[in-house]
Amino acid sequence: GAVVSQHPSRVICKSGTSVKIECRSLDFQATTMFWYRQFPKKSLMLMATSNEGSKATYEQGVEKDKFLINHASLTLSTLTVTSAHPEDSSFYICSARDPGGAFSYEQYFGPGTRLTVT
Amino acid sequence: KQEVTQIPAALSVPEGENLVLNCSFTDSAIYNLQWFRQDPGKGLTSLLLIQSSQREQTSGRLNASLDKSSGRSTLYIAASQPGDSATYLCASFSGTYKYIFGTGTRLKVLA
Repeated sequence: GAVVSQHPSRVICKSGTSVKIECRSLDFQATTMFWYRQFPKKSLMLMATSNEGSKATYEQGVEKDKFLINHASLTLSTLTVTSAHPEDSSFYICSARDPGGAFSYEQYFGPGTRLTVT
Repeated sequence: KQEVTQIPAALSVPEGENLVLNCSFTDSAIYNLQWFRQDPGKGLTSLLLIQSSQREQTSGRLNASLDKSSGRSTLYIAASQPGDSATYLCASFSGTYKYIFGTGTRLKVLA
């Protein structure tokens, strides 16, 4: 099946700094990628939809200026957590839609990035 | 607004038992219903995807059913093994091209 990677898998940063997380589709072109956040022992919450070449669409309650999303190419989307605070510590997972797949709407998920803000 | 709920939230069973995980959703206008497995600190592994026109899907010891009219899906695990211990998530997929995830069931299979 299609493969989606994330980098880094784990990151620790200090309060006030910014951190960038990458999501790559390795063997297909993804016009649409999605970013999710998962709190401990909780389910995944969709943060935003990232469309190649255009602005991301954020879900209600997600701060656009806090979580910057860039989808500059068909295989790469980045999530930058700006001015990070301890409450931003979470598990961030991306997914990518393969329009050429068996189901044009099926998404493939990355392995996740554990962010810890100290 | 779609809401997806899973029952039970946690389950602990002895090895070898057959078990059923439940998923319910409020909006029946879905394209598909998908079951995932998540190990601690890891990403998602897709287990089964049921399209809206299907009633069930099977893969090895796993069988997932879908009843759109009642807004329910079940994941049946036969002859459970300790390696099945994980969190199981169901997710509905609709015309907005968004997955709405359930609350998850944390399964522990005791050796």
